[in-house]
Amino acid sequence: GAVVSQHPSRVICKSGTSVKIECRSLDFQATTMFWYRQFPKKSLMLMATSNEGSKATYEQGVEKDKFLINHASLTLSTLTVTSAHPEDSSFYICSYQWVGTDTQYFGPGTRLTVL
Amino acid sequence: SQKIEQNSEALNIQEGKTATLTCNYTNYSPAYLQWYRQDPGRGPVFLLLIRENEKEKRKERLKVTFDTTLKQSLFHITASQPADSATYLCALGTGGTSYGKLTFGQGTILTVHP
Repeated sequence: GAVVSQHPSRVICKSGTSVKIECRSLDFQATTMFWYRQFPKKSLMLMATSNEGSKATYEQGVEKDKFLINHASLTLSTLTVTSAHPEDSSFYICSYQWVGTDTQYFGPGTRLTVL
Repeated sequence: SQKIEQNSEALNIQEGKTATLTCNYTNYSPAYLQWYRQDPGRGPVFLLLIRENEKEKRKERLKVTFDTTLKQSLFHITASQPADSATYLCALGTGGTSYGKLTFGQGTILTVHP
């Protein structure tokens, strides 16, 4: 299967600061990728869909100015949580769609804690 | 409203038995359904995909069925092992303009006891 990495795996920040999370596909190129968040003991909630070279499409209720997505290349996407608040504390996971299939490969996730 | 329910929050079974997990949905017309495994603090790992026109799929000790009339998928792990202990998620994909978007169930925590 495909390998997806995320960095950092954990981050703790102060309220009001911005945090950038990187998502890389290590052994394949993907034009479409997704960002999810997961609260403790809850399921994954899709935040946005990102196509390389285009603006991300955000799900209802997700603030695009707060969660900035940059799909810079076929192998790298970043999610920046701007002016983070404690309620943004969550597990953020990216996934890449394997081209020509319906299969997604997920990164290992980033645990964000906002104090 | 659209809803996906995995009927058991937790399932405990003895090693060697077959684990059966259920995923029900309402107000969806999925093009396909997927099952993932998630370990604590990790991202989901893809296991199986089954399409709307398929009844059953198998992969080693795993079997998934899909009944679009009942709006239900069953996920079976035969000859279960303690290493199978994890959270299992079902996810629906609808295709079309929502191609690639997955909606997840809340997961079932499976514990296989030695």
